[in-house]
Amino acid sequence: NAGVMQNPRHLVRRRGQEARLRCSPMKGHSHVYWYRQLPEEGLKFMVYLQKENIIDESGMPKERFSAEFPKEGPSILRIQQVVRGDSAAYFCASSPRWGNYGYTFGSGTRLTVV
Amino acid sequence: DAKTTQPPSMDCAEGRAANLPCNHSTISGNEYVYWYRQIHSQGPQYIIHGLKNNETNEMASLIITEDRKSSTLILPHATLRDTAVYYCIVRVENTDKLIFGTGTRLQVFP
Repeated sequence: NAGVMQNPRHLVRRRGQEARLRCSPMKGHSHVYWYRQLPEEGLKFMVYLQKENIIDESGMPKERFSAEFPKEGPSILRIQQVVRGDSAAYFCASSPRWGNYGYTFGSGTRLTVV
Repeated sequence: DAKTTQPPSMDCAEGRAANLPCNHSTISGNEYVYWYRQIHSQGPQYIIHGLKNNETNEMASLIITEDRKSSTLILPHATLRDTAVYYCIVRVENTDKLIFGTGTRLQVFP
């Protein structure tokens, strides 16, 4: 039973390009969460999704960022027109259902904008 | 903002118990206390969580005071691989957000 899989592990983008980060939750998990960690800081919640639904996107920047979790395939965090300030580690977590469960986090995608 | 306060760093000798404190004086009645750790720059790892009673699993023990205003994570026999940043988190009621603070950087030394 593989854990939460994120790819790519490292992503380099030039300013103005698009970044697509993928997250495959654990088998049987239908809830996905995205967090961002800036250098030397704690993790910040971005968005919570269930299959085909965005449940809570209160942590998402208003522009350029979007997330989806389609019926089939991984969850995607998309950043359009990246800027240097988007450079960070992006972590995905999953859980089997809503409630008091410990989330399983992936190893993250490290985005560097040059 | 995080609802918890933790010391920024702690040291512990290998083989000894590591006791990591956390203050959460504004915790509400139905809010759980969660502990995660992050080793170097890996993804956070779930350790344990609790509401009122003390909890124990294969990784650690969680001791919550009777008034629930503070808690202590205990690693009974710390190893070098336990060196990490430990986050104490109060899970906001009726949401799925985990609000991470700055955590405690635990250094286990030989």
